[in-house]
Amino acid sequence: DADVTQTPRNRITKTGKRIMLECSQTKGHDRMYWYRQDPGLGLRLIYYSFDVKDINKGEISDGYSVSRQAQAKFSLSLESAIPNQTALYFCATSDPGLAGAETQYFGPGTRLLVL
Amino acid sequence: GESVGLHLPTLSVQEGDNSIINCAYSNSASDYFIWYKQESGKGPQFIIDIRSNMDKRQGQRVTVLLNKTVKHLSLQIAATQPGDSAVYFCAENLKTSYDKVIFGPGTSLSVIP
Repeated sequence: DADVTQTPRNRITKTGKRIMLECSQTKGHDRMYWYRQDPGLGLRLIYYSFDVKDINKGEISDGYSVSRQAQAKFSLSLESAIPNQTALYFCATSDPGLAGAETQYFGPGTRLLVL
Repeated sequence: GESVGLHLPTLSVQEGDNSIINCAYSNSASDYFIWYKQESGKGPQFIIDIRSNMDKRQGQRVTVLLNKTVKHLSLQIAATQPGDSAVYFCAENLKTSYDKVIFGPGTSLSVIP
């Protein structure tokens, strides 16, 4: 569904290029996340933001940066792309809800290939 | 360290049979667990959740069981259908200084018609 959208859906780039992946959400959630997915490794957290003025590194933030432009927008940048950043990237949102339960809602993903 | 892992990376099931997907977690402080389904070309989607004060929760054709004694979580799918073919992830919510969700590596479920 279109609650969480990501652009572009697919991207091929060359080593050393700067890339920005964008995420927008209409769920009204304060919390947003960027993950990368590699075969056999599941989802790994890159960065997360609990509100517009809050940015936190995840477990694999090296080589990435983020910007939370508004509650609804959270972008991920690769300042100088390298081949091992080839992966599927997901944006997600969540709302703490009752008692801190954290169900996350994911976008459709961006497939990035770095040559 | 903290981890959420799945016992079987792949599972093949005959259509109409029941499926059981298992997950082990290592952090006894986790108090909320979620199962996600990821179909090909799509992002993960919420299936069902369970809190640590429960040991069983049922949804439509799905049941999640939580055994805190052995730190084990399972997802049961009744009468498996071809549309159930997907990768299934378990995730745990760690209540530390910040809310953190850790995902397992995923199990690929294939339904044989």
